[in-house]
Amino acid sequence: SQTIHQWPATLVQPVGSPLSLECTVEGTSNPNLYWYRQAAGRGLQLLFYSVGIGQISSEVPQNLSASRPQDRQFILSSKKLLLSDSGFYLCAWLRGGETQYFGPGTRLLVL
Amino acid sequence: DAKTTQPPSMDCAEGRAANLPCNHSTISGNEYVYWYRQIHSQGPQYIIHGLKNNETNEMASLIITEDRKSSTLILPHATLRDTAVYYCIVRSLWSGNTGKLIFGQGTTLQVKP
Repeated sequence: SQTIHQWPATLVQPVGSPLSLECTVEGTSNPNLYWYRQAAGRGLQLLFYSVGIGQISSEVPQNLSASRPQDRQFILSSKKLLLSDSGFYLCAWLRGGETQYFGPGTRLLVL
Repeated sequence: DAKTTQPPSMDCAEGRAANLPCNHSTISGNEYVYWYRQIHSQGPQYIIHGLKNNETNEMASLIITEDRKSSTLILPHATLRDTAVYYCIVRSLWSGNTGKLIFGQGTTLQVKP
């Protein structure tokens, strides 16, 4: 069966520090992968998606970047965090071209 | 993808059916209706999806009107654990679609004892 992992589960970082969040999927190959963010009290916003290794599409201009170094690995990064980067970050994958399944998320607090 | 409209909040008594409505009047012929829910502090959970026929699985039933301009998610016997934000999303499954989901504000369902 397929599973999706995210780590860390929680992260507290100072403003100006770098960020690296990782997402991996097991049990499938060449999935579409997605990064979403949910700010406190708000809805989910799609940040990036990837249809294959090295292929990244950005949905909104921002302080973050994404990379896909391996087929089942998706990384969200920042060189210098802002207070506004705080939020709940969710990774998802597309199964069978039809249904997205979400990971458990990473809660990021930038102080 | 077509836009959806949902009531911001609803209450339901425990053990009763919860009927969550969704309007998608601009839906096109190749767009499916998806439902997800998000329990507090967790990632969204897929519930069900359909095109034009009614669908049922172990979690819920999806009723889509004949003109496909609206749908209703039915939780037949709501429990306290069903308290969550429910999202109705319309998405095309054509081969060039990247599969991304556009989330609205959803409906906050509060199941009360």
